[in-house]
Amino acid sequence: QKEVEQNSGPLSVPEGAIASLNCTYSDRGSQSFFWYRQYSGKSPELIMSIYSNGDKEDGRFTAQLNKASQYVSLLIRDSQPSDSATYLCAVIGSSARQLTFGSGTQLTVLP
Amino acid sequence: DTEVTQTPKHLVMGMTNKKSLKCEQHMGHRAMYWYKQKAKKPPELMFVYSYEKLSINESVPSRFSPECPNSSLLNLHLHALQPEDSALYLCASSQGRQAYNEQFFGPGTRLTVL
Repeated sequence: QKEVEQNSGPLSVPEGAIASLNCTYSDRGSQSFFWYRQYSGKSPELIMSIYSNGDKEDGRFTAQLNKASQYVSLLIRDSQPSDSATYLCAVIGSSARQLTFGSGTQLTVLP
Repeated sequence: DTEVTQTPKHLVMGMTNKKSLKCEQHMGHRAMYWYKQKAKKPPELMFVYSYEKLSINESVPSRFSPECPNSSLLNLHLHALQPEDSALYLCASSQGRQAYNEQFFGPGTRLTVL
């Protein structure tokens, strides 16, 4: 079992829709959870961090964390073509103070 | 300011060359990282420096040699690389190595080994 798993995609949504990206992790003691956006040929850009159960909103982005179920999700409201990118879920586990990345979900927002 | 800078943007080198990648941050961060990313894969951690001391080396081949001259600078020295080392090399920094510290990535160096 991979430490951090993401729905493999690719995921396509129409412009204006809600895009939902999911991530599960295996280390129950994981402490910190991050979402990065990576455009093709560019470096990862941090868009959300979440540390406690519940929702965290920032503009059109909402991160949701459920530690009991060991999943973290990212919702993108009013999706725009400029949101088309690969989204990487990253987790800091209980023992290693380093990021473990999921394999990424490629999102395409269709005009 | 969450800027991490990396030079050069692109590098082409032969298998017998010696070259260096450079990374700089001015955010007062005390942890810096080198990652390697192959196409359509997530970043893989290579090295971690914390307070200018190497704290993690993820069993990376010795043809990669990191150096942290001070808390703002991080270098990656390259020697006798193989074509399979061609990748995007990413530098990142964070305030420290506590679990809640966010990592910010530089733009990367696209390395091609011929």
